[in-house]
Amino acid sequence: DQQVKQNSPSLSVQEGRISILNCDYTNSMFDYFLWYKKYPAEGPTFLISISSIKDKNEDGRFTVFLNKSAKHLSLHIVPSQPGDSAVYFCATQPQNYGGSQGNLIFGKGTKLSVKP
Amino acid sequence: KAGVTQTPRYLIKTRGQQVTLSCSPISGHRSVSWYQQTPGQGLQFLFEYFSETQRNKGNFPGRFSGRQFSNSRSEMNVSTLELGDSALYLCASSLVASGGYNEQFFGPGTRLTVL
Repeated sequence: DQQVKQNSPSLSVQEGRISILNCDYTNSMFDYFLWYKKYPAEGPTFLISISSIKDKNEDGRFTVFLNKSAKHLSLHIVPSQPGDSAVYFCATQPQNYGGSQGNLIFGKGTKLSVKP
Repeated sequence: KAGVTQTPRYLIKTRGQQVTLSCSPISGHRSVSWYQQTPGQGLQFLFEYFSETQRNKGNFPGRFSGRQFSNSRSEMNVSTLELGDSALYLCASSLVASGGYNEQFFGPGTRLTVL
């Protein structure tokens, strides 16, 4: 059973417009929600995170929104640039038990294409 | 500061063989995690090591194992390879600090193909 779902495998956006990537989760026992970006032939790189006690976090062109009642997470990129073209993974970190840090649960990713 | 390195980058094996993959974390990082990425299942957590001890394990069969050395370098081993083990294997390292989210830094991965 998938705990983190990204229902759109791909998204195409025009340069300068807003990109909105969505993510749903099923379990409320998560401490943090994260977005990672992945280019081909590279490992994922961390983009932005949000604590489960917040509903918004902003970093430059990237804003993550958390709707706990809907168990929904979204990433907004404004304005979108061609260099943002990559696969974006939503991920969550379960509540920290036993000191474990590394057991991220990932969605299957959304491939974003930003067209010039 | 050098990033996470993984060796080899590409590997081809046949069914039934075993394979060992290596990961060197960022200097100072003591936590190393391993993930498997496949087109069908996405990124799935394999296990995490800290101070040479396995601290957490994902839902994978016992054919998948790992270890961590005193210098925090880690290896993972897959025995009796199956076709379904073909995947990108990613290693990630992080600092360990109390509270908050400790960012995981990923290596470029090892692409394993099982024929």
